[in-house]
Parts: sequence; structure tokens; C-alpha cells
Amino acid sequence: AQSVTQPDIHITVSEGASLELRCNYSYGATPYLFWYVQSPGQGLQLLLKYFSGDTLVQGIKGFEAEFKRSQSSFNLRKPSVHWSDAAEYFCAVGGSGNTGKLIFGQGTTLQVKP
Amino acid sequence: DAGVIQSPRHEVTEMGQEVTLRCKPISGHDYLFWYRQTMMRGLELLIYFNNNVPIDDSGMPEDRFSAKMPNASFSTLKIQPSEPRDSAVYFCASSLLGGRSYNEQFFGPGTRLTVL
Repeated sequence: AQSVTQPDIHITVSEGASLELRCNYSYGATPYLFWYVQSPGQGLQLLLKYFSGDTLVQGIKGFEAEFKRSQSSFNLRKPSVHWSDAAEYFCAVGGSGNTGKLIFGQGTTLQVKP
Repeated sequence: DAGVIQSPRHEVTEMGQEVTLRCKPISGHDYLFWYRQTMMRGLELLIYFNNNVPIDDSGMPEDRFSAKMPNASFSTLKIQPSEPRDSAVYFCASSLLGGRSYNEQFFGPGTRLTVL
């Protein structure tokens, strides 16, 4: 079955600290992987995506993610968190040959301490 | 491009009333998705369309919910009659299958529905 798991529902980090949000997926075909961010009262915005090639992908706002096929993971990282990064983060998986549908994780809420 | 457009942005109604949410997808996109987001249940896919045809409506909670896509540039989600438990933020998203987008979905700003 296709699924996405974000093990951490809520994470709190200090401003300036590094961040890693975890994402594990189960998908039968070649996965396309996405990270979206949702600021309070806003829609979901794409941070980055992976579909092939270099397993380390760069996104907007200084975020990056690494695809590890052997671990079925696509963790999101940022070296230094800013207060404006406080938001909810969603990992999603889709793939070639599918019907366009994405499977979303349950989301991780990031709180940033001053 | 203006992105995905949803209207209204906020809707407050009374239980039993009909509610219609509207969505205009990005021009040229061939998929349209309706999601519902609540604190308790998170982000749920309700229904999606491909080339204006409903593909999967298994996420529609009950018969009170219906969705249509009469043409490539417009879709509606209707709740009749509405109930307080329908209070949520409803998102519309669109995507283009294949090509360089790799199924990336573009989300609208959402409609916050409150049913009293």
C-alpha cells in the first residue's frame, strides 16, 4: 500500500539551530517526492521535489532534502532555522504511471523558540 | 499566472443551509483535487478529476457532499445540507500529469467554512 509517515507530529527548535524533519514512504513504483510548507492561514506551498538524479535536492528558503532509497526516506533539512520557518510541513509521494494523485503525510508542526 | 483561485475565502453559514465552494485551476492543468483540512483529521483528499471527469470520490464523506467540474476552468464543491461537523478549511489544487512538473500539485489559498 502507498503511504507516507512523518514520525514527528510536533518539533520545537531554537532560532539558529539546525533542523531535520523525517519522512518515510512506501510506494510500489519509482517515487516522486515532495515537501510542502503551510504557514498559518495559508495554502500549501512547494518547498522542493525529487524525481530523479542527484539524491540531494535544494529548495526554496534554504531547505534541502535527501532521498535515500535503501531507507525509503526523504528527510528535510535546514542548517539554521529562522523564526519565519514556524509552520506545518507535509511530505508527499506520487510517481510515474500513477493517476496524478499524491499521498500526503500527516504533517509536522515546527515551532521556533527565540 | 494567477495560480489556483478559490472563492469565497471565508464562509459562515447556519446548519441546514447549502454551501457552494468554487475553484478555478491553473490554465492547462488536467487534474483538479478537493481537500479538506481539520485539526482532528488533518488533510483529507475528498475527490479528484482528470480532464473534467471524476476519477475517485471515495473520500467524499457522505451524500451531502457533491462536486462537479463542468469545464476545464471551473469546479464546485457543494454541501447540502451543511452540518457543524463540516466546518473546516477546504483546499482546491491542480496539477499537470507528466512533463517537468512530475505531478506537483499547486494549491489554492483555501476556503474556511464555519457552520453554526
